[in-house]
Amino acid sequence: IAGITQAPTSQILAAGRRMTLRCTQDMRHNAMYWYRQDLGLGLRLIHYSNTAGTTGKGEVPDGYSVSRANTDDFPLTLASAVPSQTSVYFCASKLGHRATDTQYFGPGTRLTVL
Amino acid sequence: KQEVTQIPAALSVPEGENLVLNCSFTDSAIYNLQWFRQDPGKGLTSLLLIQSSQREQTSGRLNASLDKSSGRSTLYIAASQPGDSATYLCAVKAVSNYQLIWGAGTKLIIKP
Repeated sequence: IAGITQAPTSQILAAGRRMTLRCTQDMRHNAMYWYRQDLGLGLRLIHYSNTAGTTGKGEVPDGYSVSRANTDDFPLTLASAVPSQTSVYFCASKLGHRATDTQYFGPGTRLTVL
Repeated sequence: KQEVTQIPAALSVPEGENLVLNCSFTDSAIYNLQWFRQDPGKGLTSLLLIQSSQREQTSGRLNASLDKSSGRSTLYIAASQPGDSATYLCAVKAVSNYQLIWGAGTKLIIKP
């Protein structure tokens, strides 16, 4: 593994089903993030984690949950998917919180909820 | 509430031209501004990061400027190439919540 991986690459899901999007990084970054990207809109932050064992809510957290049991993994769970959660989901990580630190992104998961 | 706007949403220019992409933000209380590149079906890659105290940053054919007082940033691409075709996004790190606030991006097409 080099960088950030996300799985699955894409998924079609029936409304009401539970789904977990996986994100793993091997850079030993402290901070991790989940964004959704919708057409015509900027990326919107769903949840974040500044360090293992802690999580926080972003701009659009409703309907999503996260956990950060260790440094490398940051799964995003949709407890009961709805069509408005159709989007492309990006996981990102960052070493720390210095002003010069930048986020590194995974390739994304395209999720369609029918 | 901080808002970030990128105009135009799409731009198509012939190869070799110099071009400017625009980013504006409503609240000057920012830590930094970043420009990212996104290729179709892929994640984002950081191009340039400008601290709030800086006026510009350069990397190769790319030059980004920041005018915090007017809430504007530009990304200048010199001698454009077809490989520059991508969506370019800007994001500001807000002082209010320490998170990135994103523009919707400019889709750039460089015609051979």
